Amino acid sequence: DAKTTQPNSMESNEEEPVHLPCNHSTISGTDYIHWYRQLPSQGPEYVIHGLTSNVNNRMASLAIAEDRKSSTLILHRATLRDAAVYYCILPANTGKLIFGQGTTLQVKP
Amino acid sequence: GAVVSQHPSRVICKSGTSVKIECRSLDFQATTMFWYRQFPKKSLMLMATSNEGSKATYEQGVEKDKFLINHASLTLSTLTVTSAHPEDSSFYICSAGHGARNTEAFFGQGTRLTVV
Repeated sequence: DAKTTQPNSMESNEEEPVHLPCNHSTISGTDYIHWYRQLPSQGPEYVIHGLTSNVNNRMASLAIAEDRKSSTLILHRATLRDAAVYYCILPANTGKLIFGQGTTLQVKP
Repeated sequence: GAVVSQHPSRVICKSGTSVKIECRSLDFQATTMFWYRQFPKKSLMLMATSNEGSKATYEQGVEKDKFLINHASLTLSTLTVTSAHPEDSSFYICSAGHGARNTEAFFGQGTRLTVV
């Protein structure tokens, strides 16, 4: 299974955009890029996923590099409720998710 | 979005007893569910894949006789921690709805198990 690399932590100011990077240099042509986040003491929640094209939904945007070896999750206006651990994952063909350490996002008021 | 519910959300049990955790998909059928455990300030660790109507598939290093998984229906998987010990205290999380690369996963709210 292709692995991902993320910074351990990032900080942001409230109401400013946040760009969370993810490297996946060994990605294969059929690997989807998924993002999940986990708030304290809760189960993870789905954020967004994509294959090749950039994706937008009500929560975030996903920008995928042309060579697909990296991607960036974009939160357009961070709020205090966005403080969480963000995971970038490439699921196996069975859908199995292997979680790395993720990026802990702190949002400052 | 789809809903996955876990029960109980918190449980305290005595050493040597067994504890059952339920994971239900409330508005969809799930032929596959996944079980994770998470220690404080650590990431989720996949324990096993629960398959409806067949045996679970355990990840390397996970004791199948210790963590019994039953997936008897398309909406319910159970994880039983047998003969629990304090080192089994952890946050247990289930997920469902992602049987392929391009499907999103739905997670339960987690179960905090404390063994005393």
